Amino acid sequence: DAGITQSPRYKITETGRQVTLMCHQTWSHSYMFWYRQDLGHGLRLIYYSAAADITDKGEVPDGYVVSRSKTENFPLTLESATRSQTSVYFCAAALVERGTTNEQFFGPGTRLTVL
Amino acid sequence: AQTVTQSQPEMSVQEAETVTLSCTYDTSESDYYLFWYKQPPSRQMILVIRQEAYKQQNATENRFSVNFQKAAKSFSLKISDSQLGDAAMYFCAYANTGNQFYFGTGTSLTVIP
Repeated sequence: DAGITQSPRYKITETGRQVTLMCHQTWSHSYMFWYRQDLGHGLRLIYYSAAADITDKGEVPDGYVVSRSKTENFPLTLESATRSQTSVYFCAAALVERGTTNEQFFGPGTRLTVL
Repeated sequence: AQTVTQSQPEMSVQEAETVTLSCTYDTSESDYYLFWYKQPPSRQMILVIRQEAYKQQNATENRFSVNFQKAAKSFSLKISDSQLGDAAMYFCAYANTGNQFYFGTGTSLTVIP
């Protein structure tokens, strides 16, 4: 039972390059999320998705793009990476039943360094 | 946006003792959910406990329990009989009914043998 996988686990890129972080869930949970984790800030929501083809901005969406053509995949793209986007990125999924918010299941994270 | 505040960046506890981690939040909603997550050095986020705001009874999970004070907007986590494996970063989180989650900045817990 793999749960949520993220790839790559580590990535080094240069300023201005496009980077895509992949997220895949083996369940069919309706909600998926992208967070970034930085010292002193905890986890901050970048984007989330309630279902395939439905996405919404979170707290810090600027500089990021998401898509969700299939329920199980939720890639995050940095269109033109900046040093301020150096962070650890977490993908998560949540099962929402009858409107009840249950726990989020997190992937292992991707450490991204922008030089 | 809702805010979640964890005022203790670091805490320590002797093994087998009890420790309480604090969390306060700000919201105008009446229906919401609260969570405590644990993040060990492996970086994996693990759910510790979950509380539904409409339930007055405090949630418990084995050695972990919460003190939920809705009027005070406080949600503290008590860890009893602390074990070495409890050492981790602990995050308090608030979720609204639209499934948007807001996390605190975390409390780093050290367990002293």
